[in-house]
Amino acid sequence: KAGVTQTPRYLIKTRGQQVTLSCSPISGHRSVSWYQQTPGQGLQFLFEYFSETQRNKGNFPGRFSGRQFSNSRSEMNVSTLELGDSALYLCASSAVDSPLHFGNGTRLTVT
Amino acid sequence: DAKTTQPNSMESNEEEPVHLPCNHSTISGTDYIHWYRQLPSQGPEYVIHGLTSNVNNRMASLAIAEDRKSSTLILHRATLRDAAVYYCILGSGYALNFGKGTSLLVTP
Repeated sequence: KAGVTQTPRYLIKTRGQQVTLSCSPISGHRSVSWYQQTPGQGLQFLFEYFSETQRNKGNFPGRFSGRQFSNSRSEMNVSTLELGDSALYLCASSAVDSPLHFGNGTRLTVT
Repeated sequence: DAKTTQPNSMESNEEEPVHLPCNHSTISGTDYIHWYRQLPSQGPEYVIHGLTSNVNNRMASLAIAEDRKSSTLILHRATLRDAAVYYCILGSGYALNFGKGTSLLVTP
């Protein structure tokens, strides 16, 4: 079974731009969660989608948004990028009442 | 959210058992205790989880105190591939709040 796939692996953007990251979950998994990892703050929860609906949201500004498609694939978008948005963005998928399966992340650098 | 407290780092010799502690004195009755680990340059990987009873799987054992205010992840024979950051997390859903975790160093 293929694991969680995140694209792209690396991304460099300039302040003020926007970015879209993609996540393909494990086949059959309907829940997709997004996390931000930085050296200073560690791993922080962004949001979680289930069947195209956002079920949970972390404490991030509205510049961070996401969506989930009918095939469970998910995208997250960050608008008006700031230097502090530089981080590893991780996506995780899961089946009902089962552990999270993480991808290897997208490394975003904002210059 | 209930918080966890873990040591910043621990060191172990290869092929010896490792006991990774986690304190969670404000745990609620419905919070599961989850353990994940993150190897360098990879996303976190599920290790084990439990609610009240001790749990075993092929990777590790989880010992949960009777009052549930602490738990211990046990790696029975550490290998070099077990060197990672280990996260102890409380939760009952998909919005897990990872802390800083314990960085485990395994030496040959």
